[in-house]
Amino acid sequence: GAGVSQSPSNKVTEKGKDVELRCDPISGHTALYWYRQSLGQGLEFLIYFQGNSAPDKSGLPSDRFSAERTGGSVSTLTIQRTQQEDSAVYLCASSLRQGGSNQPQHFGDGTRLSIL
Amino acid sequence: GNSVTQMEGPVTLSEEAFLTINCTYTATGYPSLFWYVQYPGEGLQLLLKATKADDKGSNKGFEATYRKETTSFHLEKGSVQVSDSAVYFCALSGRETSGSRLTFGEGTQLTVNP
Repeated sequence: GAGVSQSPSNKVTEKGKDVELRCDPISGHTALYWYRQSLGQGLEFLIYFQGNSAPDKSGLPSDRFSAERTGGSVSTLTIQRTQQEDSAVYLCASSLRQGGSNQPQHFGDGTRLSIL
Repeated sequence: GNSVTQMEGPVTLSEEAFLTINCTYTATGYPSLFWYVQYPGEGLQLLLKATKADDKGSNKGFEATYRKETTSFHLEKGSVQVSDSAVYFCALSGRETSGSRLTFGEGTQLTVNP
């Protein structure tokens, strides 16, 4: 399809395990964002990638969270030593960058992460 | 920092009723404003946007006007349908913020009954 693709759609894992979440943005979109949607916290920004620039990691909640974007396309969000408070829906979005500003963001369906 | 405040939900209406969901914001400079909608079991979809003061965004019968003097971006629809039942999020992106990250309101759950 032509939209943002995320996998897996659901992930259940035990506390303390590492997880990797994948995002495949819309082709040609240079900007990629990760957000987290959780009860009580709403939608929170996590990290932003733009082309080959250094990512903006200012929203990552702890050093257990990291993300990379290879080849300017697919991105992976990794959570190490998962905790129960990491349970949430992780959303990826992408957008074009035109004229020095970003266009509206298009979201994937998210990965629902449950930590037992 | 930037923030968005939405009216508390949930909101329950009968079909063909008038809808208003209030949204106010705090931001430096001149942010862009958005309404996103999340239908049950689906991801976030852009509903409408406005990028400068007095702009009116519209889509699918929904409208919102960027009011800088009241720092508001209230969502309205004249006649709601059952299919409009969803969670609605007001959001802003600040031009001064790296990457135009979105700051979201808490979301408002709308249920429309036949």
